[in-house]
Amino acid sequence: DTGVSQDPRHKITKRGQNVTFRCDPISEHNRLYWYRQTLGQGPEFLTYFQNEAQLEKSRLLSDRFSAERPKGSFSTLEIQRTEQGDSAMYLCASSARTGLNTEAFFGQGTRLTVV
Amino acid sequence: AQKITQTQPGMFVQEKEAVTLDCTYDTSDPSYGLFWYKQPSSGEMIFLIYQGSYDQQNATEGRYSLNFQKARKSANLVISASQLGDSAMYFCAMREGGAGANNLFFGTGTRLTVIP
Repeated sequence: DTGVSQDPRHKITKRGQNVTFRCDPISEHNRLYWYRQTLGQGPEFLTYFQNEAQLEKSRLLSDRFSAERPKGSFSTLEIQRTEQGDSAMYLCASSARTGLNTEAFFGQGTRLTVV
Repeated sequence: AQKITQTQPGMFVQEKEAVTLDCTYDTSDPSYGLFWYKQPSSGEMIFLIYQGSYDQQNATEGRYSLNFQKARKSANLVISASQLGDSAMYFCAMREGGAGANNLFFGTGTRLTVIP
């Protein structure tokens, strides 16, 4: 088990372009989370999947953002018409169960820079 | 109001000494969990320690311990015998019970630098 894997690690894009990030969770983890972390801040929750179902979305997730998890395995996060304010680290996490004491395992993130 | 407050943007500690990183939280939910994560420069968040709101004893994991003061709503992380590899960002986080049980709320973090 190699942990949560995210691709790419870094992405530079021009304003207005679309970008897509991929997250491969730990195998057999049926819960998957996306977080966004801007400079000097802690991660902020974006969305949550249980298997292929997207069960929770933050109001941070504007209409330009869409996340999918087909077949309940890997997940993608797409940002359309990127803006400079989208520049951030996008972190993916997975867990085997839910509950107050559930530890979430994080990937190394995708750092997005919009120029 | 912020759910998690970390008031120390940066801390320095001498190698082999102990250091306390502060965290206060705000919730009206009687059921919640508190976490500490370490984020090295490589970016991944590494889970360190967990404390449940109903736990009677302070959590400990190796060199990490959590000083949980429920009445004061504080959950400070104590790192004993600091090592150079402990230099990183440290984040306190909370998960509330009920409908928000899937979501972790993070503080703004504390950058710890261990001095040789």
